[in-house]
Amino acid sequence: KQEVTQIPAALSVPEGENLVLNCSFTDSAIYNLQWFRQDPGKGLTSLLLIQSSQREQTSGRLNASLDKSSGRSTLYIAASQPGDSATYLCAVPTSGTYKYIFGTGTRLKVLA
Amino acid sequence: NAGVMQNPRHLVRRRGQEARLRCSPMKGHSHVYWYRQLPEEGLKFMVYLQKENIIDESGMPKERFSAEFPKEGPSILRIQQVVRGDSAAYFCASTVDQGEQYFGPGTRLTVT
Repeated sequence: KQEVTQIPAALSVPEGENLVLNCSFTDSAIYNLQWFRQDPGKGLTSLLLIQSSQREQTSGRLNASLDKSSGRSTLYIAASQPGDSATYLCAVPTSGTYKYIFGTGTRLKVLA
Repeated sequence: NAGVMQNPRHLVRRRGQEARLRCSPMKGHSHVYWYRQLPEEGLKFMVYLQKENIIDESGMPKERFSAEFPKEGPSILRIQQVVRGDSAAYFCASTVDQGEQYFGPGTRLTVT
C-alpha cells in the first residue's frame, strides 16, 4: 500500500532563502512523481513531473529530484519570494494501478 | 488552449438531492481523474476515466457515486441522494495517458 509523507508540514521563511521540501513514499515501484502547488481555495497547479527514469527536473527557480530506491523526492526552491507562499503537494501512483496518492502537503509562507 | 474547466464552481444541494459535477478536459487530453478534498484533509483519488471507459474506480464509494466520460461532452461525476458528509471540493484533472495531470479549479459542494 502506497503511503506518502511530506516534511515539514509547515514552513515560514524570510524572502530570498533557498528551501528544500521533502516527500517520502513507501512503494518505490512508481512510474512518475508529480509536484503541485495549491493556493487557498483554488485548484492545483502542476509544477514538475519526474518520470521514473529521470533523477531530476528543473523549471525556473524550481528543481525536483527523485531517488526511487530510497523512496524520496525533494523540491528545491531557490531565492524564495512572497508569491511562492502556498501549499506544496507531491503525488505518486500506487504500484500496478492508476490511483495517485497525495501527501498532506507542506504549507509554505515566505515573508517580505 | 483553454485549461481544464469545471462547472459549477459552487453547488448547494439539500440532503437527498442529486449533484452533477462537470469537467471538460484540456484539448487533446483523453483521460480524466476525479479527486475529492474534504475540509482540512488531503486529496483522495476517486476514479480514472478514458472516453467511454472507466479504467480505475477503486476510490469511488460503492453506493450513490458514479462517473462517466462520454465520447462527446464533458466528464460527469454524479452523486445521488447527497448527505452532509459529501460536502467537499471535487477536482478533476486531465491528462494524456499516465502523463502530467492538469487540474481544474474545482467544484465546492455544500450539502445543507
